[in-house]
Amino acid sequence: GENVEQHPSTLSVQEGDSAVIKCTYSDSASNYFPWYKQELGKRPQLIIDIRSNVGEKKDQRIAVTLNKTAKHFSLHITETQPEDSAVYFCAASIGITGGGNKLTFGTGTQLKVEL
Amino acid sequence: GAVVSQHPSRVICKSGTSVKIECRSLDFQATTMFWYRQFPKQSLMLMATSNEGSKATYEQGVEKDKFLINHASLTLSTLTVTSAHPEDSSFYICSARAVGRAGYEQYFGPGTRLTVT
Repeated sequence: GENVEQHPSTLSVQEGDSAVIKCTYSDSASNYFPWYKQELGKRPQLIIDIRSNVGEKKDQRIAVTLNKTAKHFSLHITETQPEDSAVYFCAASIGITGGGNKLTFGTGTQLKVEL
Repeated sequence: GAVVSQHPSRVICKSGTSVKIECRSLDFQATTMFWYRQFPKQSLMLMATSNEGSKATYEQGVEKDKFLINHASLTLSTLTVTSAHPEDSSFYICSARAVGRAGYEQYFGPGTRLTVT
């Protein structure tokens, strides 16, 4: 099955700096790559996603890049703010015909934005 | 739109008892719902995929007789933890994929914190 690795496990940045989180996946059939932000005790919130037919996607301070050949994708957060502090998970999905898409999650990155 | 609810949000039960968790899609129909388990400071691990009107598909290592899943309608899936033990204490989260939506997005419920004493 799919295996998703995520690095780093913890990341501390100064407010205003950029943060980059990287993930690799194993199954070349994966075609959907969402990123989630999870605050303690709460549900994961989708912050951005990318499909395999696109190499880069941006939404304000957040961007995601995908390299299908190398099977890795990255989350970029610019101008970080204290409220960006949370755990971030990448995920990969292989579409299942007629059903849903199983998400395989990375191990998570605890991002701390310091004042 | 695309709201998923879970009930209860927190539950404490005694070892050996069973607990039922409900997952509802409030404003859309979901052919497929997913159940995840998350231990403290760990990632979400998929337990099973639930399709409306059919048997759930369990991930390797998840006991289907212990974690009973029922998806009787397009808006409701339930997870019953039978004969719960302390090691079953965890954060259980469901997600749902909307019927007819072009995207691949899953919508997550708020989670249920289960504590088995």
